[in-house]
Amino acid sequence: SQTIHQWPATLVQPVGSPLSLECTVEGTSNPNLYWYRQAAGRGLQLLFYSVGIGQISSEVPQNLSASRPQDRQFILSSKKLLLSDSGFYLCAWSPHSREQYFGPGTRLTVT
Amino acid sequence: GDSVTQMEGPVTLSEEAFLTINCTYTATGYPSLFWYVQYPGEGLQLLLKATKADDKGSNKGFEATYRKETTSFHLEKGSVQVSDSAVYFCALRNTGNQFYFGTGTSLTVIP
Repeated sequence: SQTIHQWPATLVQPVGSPLSLECTVEGTSNPNLYWYRQAAGRGLQLLFYSVGIGQISSEVPQNLSASRPQDRQFILSSKKLLLSDSGFYLCAWSPHSREQYFGPGTRLTVT
Repeated sequence: GDSVTQMEGPVTLSEEAFLTINCTYTATGYPSLFWYVQYPGEGLQLLLKATKADDKGSNKGFEATYRKETTSFHLEKGSVQVSDSAVYFCALRNTGNQFYFGTGTSLTVIP
């Protein structure tokens, strides 16, 4: 069966510090991968999606970036965090032409 | 463009009450439709899905029927429990494999 992992689970970072969140999927190959952000009490905002290694599409211009160095690894990064980057970050994967499956999320607080 | 609209929350019900959360969509072609549930501090879990008109998705006592004539996918449960308290998201996947989520409806069930 397939599983999706995210780490860390929680993170507290000062403004201006770098960020690296990691997501990995097991038990499948060549999945579509997604990064979402969920602000407190609000819906999902799609940040990035990827249909293959090195293929990243950005949905929202911001100070975040994403990379997919391996087939089942998706990384969300920032060089300098802003207060507005605080939120709940969710990684998801999808078999092609199927539903999405979400990871457990990372709670990021920028102070 | 494609979109999902779901009823505003929060919704508060007594245990064993009947639940309906309305969801309507806008999409060209024949999208697949989903309901996801999010418990506090966790990622989204797929609750049920329907991939074509008149399909009924069901799981854990929840049901939703894909109504193409009314472009709706309303979530229902005959008798809610305290453990059903969560945020519910309606979503669609269009023919271009893009996903769109509603803003979420918070449900609280009181004993």
